[in-house]
Amino acid sequence: AQSVTQLGSHVSVSEGALVLLRCNYSSSVPPYLFWYVQYPNQGLQLLLKYTSAATLVKGINGFEAEFKKSETSFHLTKPSAHMSDAAEYFCAVRIQGAQKLVFGQGTRLTINP
Amino acid sequence: DTAVSQTPKYLVTQMGNDKSIKCEQNLGHDTMYWYKQDSKKFLKIMFSYNNKELIINETVPNRFSPKSPDKAHLNLHINSLELGDSAVYFCASSQDGGQGGGAFFGQGTRLTVV
Repeated sequence: AQSVTQLGSHVSVSEGALVLLRCNYSSSVPPYLFWYVQYPNQGLQLLLKYTSAATLVKGINGFEAEFKKSETSFHLTKPSAHMSDAAEYFCAVRIQGAQKLVFGQGTRLTINP
Repeated sequence: DTAVSQTPKYLVTQMGNDKSIKCEQNLGHDTMYWYKQDSKKFLKIMFSYNNKELIINETVPNRFSPKSPDKAHLNLHINSLELGDSAVYFCASSQDGGQGGGAFFGQGTRLTVV
């Protein structure tokens, strides 16, 4: 069965610093991978997705993620953090043919002024 | 225009009551879902419907009964509410089971059982 592990339930960075949120997946078949962001008291918004095309995926708000099959990873990065990036971030996996997303535990990103 | 809308946004009710949450999507998607987010923010699928047919029932107590009158609607009825049902419930939709495009989520319904 597929699963997702997000390393670090809480990440804190300074404004302007690099953001790195880690996600590792487990899947016996090539997966589809997603990053979602959840702002307080809101629903989940899709940031970006990997669907077996380019391994480096660019998303909204300056985020990008790189699919590394050898490391079974799909880490999310942003070169320069902004205060508005403070939120909960979820990595999710879907295997082909399965009609559900399996989510990681979430990582709360805090931005320090 | 809200893509996936669910009502109500907040729901406070007593143990033992029956309540419903409604969900509608105007994206023309063929698959709809209910997810539960617990107090630790963990998200878990409850149900998945494709073209009004139940595809996934993820070991949810039978007090929870989803109903999909058409492709654009998926409602969730909960009988005999328990304290442990308190959570945020998210409706979502996708096309073709979300194979490539991911799922679009509603704003959530925060259910508090007292």
